[in-house]
Amino acid sequence: QKEVEQNSGPLSVPEGAIASLNCTYSDRGSQSFFWYRQYSGKSPELIMSIYSNGDKEDGRFTAQLNKASQYVSLLIRDSQPSDSATYLCAATGTASKLTFGTGTRLQVTL
Amino acid sequence: DAGVIQSPRHEVTEMGQEVTLRCKPISGHDYLFWYRQTMMRGLELLIYFNNNVPIDDSGMPEDRFSAKMPNASFSTLKIQPSEPRDSAVYFCASSHGQGWRNEQFFGPGTRLTVL
Repeated sequence: QKEVEQNSGPLSVPEGAIASLNCTYSDRGSQSFFWYRQYSGKSPELIMSIYSNGDKEDGRFTAQLNKASQYVSLLIRDSQPSDSATYLCAATGTASKLTFGTGTRLQVTL
Repeated sequence: DAGVIQSPRHEVTEMGQEVTLRCKPISGHDYLFWYRQTMMRGLELLIYFNNNVPIDDSGMPEDRFSAKMPNASFSTLKIQPSEPRDSAVYFCASSHGQGWRNEQFFGPGTRLTVL
């Protein structure tokens, strides 16, 4: 079974620090990778997508992909209390469906 | 542009009743996905459509669940008869397709409670 795995957390970081969220996937055929943010009681919101090895930066967010290690990460710089949410990692292969991890809960403390 | 639209936002029903959830995808998206989310099982894909045709329904839990997409702008997920274990949040999402175009955008969800 093709899986995406994440540590459920909670990951607690102080305001202003860097939050590092990690994800591994089992399907070597996976080609596209996504990070979604989900606030409690809300729907998943796409915040980053990455398709090739290396880093991709967007504002305070950096996604990192290492296909050889089957590893995806999301870095959040200058963490804010508003970043407190569950972060879902997702991967897709040749089909169009996504496989989601169970999510990591991030808490940014004052 | 409007995002994915779902209705109703909340549904409370009694066991044995029929439930119909509705979804309008983002205009121009040719893939539509139905998900269910619970605390125990996380986010699960139930079924997805491409150009109104069901492609993969392997996630549909049992025959009580059915989904249709009569046109490019409307889809329904029906549960008949409903059971308490069907209580969950049901999300609809849409996308253009594969690769970078596979970015899926979620609707606000329908919170279903079956008593």
